[in-house]
Amino acid sequence: DTAVSQTPKYLVTQMGNDKSIKCEQNLGHDTMYWYKQDSKKFLKIMFSYNNKELIINETVPNRFSPKSPDKAHLNLHINSLELGDSAVYFCASSLPRLAGPTSTDTQYFGPGTRLTVL
Amino acid sequence: AQTVTQSQPEMSVQEAETVTLSCTYDTSESDYYLFWYKQPPSRQMILVIRQEAYKQQNATENRFSVNFQKAAKSFSLKISDSQLGDAAMYFCAYGGETSGSRLTFGEGTQLTVNP
Repeated sequence: DTAVSQTPKYLVTQMGNDKSIKCEQNLGHDTMYWYKQDSKKFLKIMFSYNNKELIINETVPNRFSPKSPDKAHLNLHINSLELGDSAVYFCASSLPRLAGPTSTDTQYFGPGTRLTVL
Repeated sequence: AQTVTQSQPEMSVQEAETVTLSCTYDTSESDYYLFWYKQPPSRQMILVIRQEAYKQQNATENRFSVNFQKAAKSFSLKISDSQLGDAAMYFCAYGGETSGSRLTFGEGTQLTVNP
């Protein structure tokens, strides 16, 4: 009964390859995210989708393309992998942030995917 | 843009003692949330505690409590009766009304618990 799951957990690949990471949540949340954690453990938002619609697209190379087939899934496809793409990628989900002080937007994270580009 | 600063890259505490991790943030928003997440060696990001900015009362969750000073933009985490399982990287995070749904994270504090 995992809340937010990601596959694979580990991904080792050669430079120039194309790879995908899949994310699924069973929490009934409308909003999903991709974060990147670099080698210094710094976490930064990459993308956010609300009910299959892209709402945040940070300054990320266009080799990264998120896809949300439905609100429970958010996949990340990476083309032409580079050495600098090596990192841990986290998927997360939350309820949509509503107006007013009683809204909730706690984000729940998946286990992370460690991507190593050789 | 909002920023979150954790000025202690590493902290250590003796088992059963109390430790406080610091976090400051910068924002011009009035409605926002603050979080502490824990990342053990398993790398799973685990929510420890959250605080709504409009609430004056400090949040508590068992051995974990915060000292939220809104005017000073400070949000420290106190861990009481530290246990070996508390050893992890701790991240402070900010989520605000104008930043969409994103969380802005601090650099993290690596906590070591000594037996």
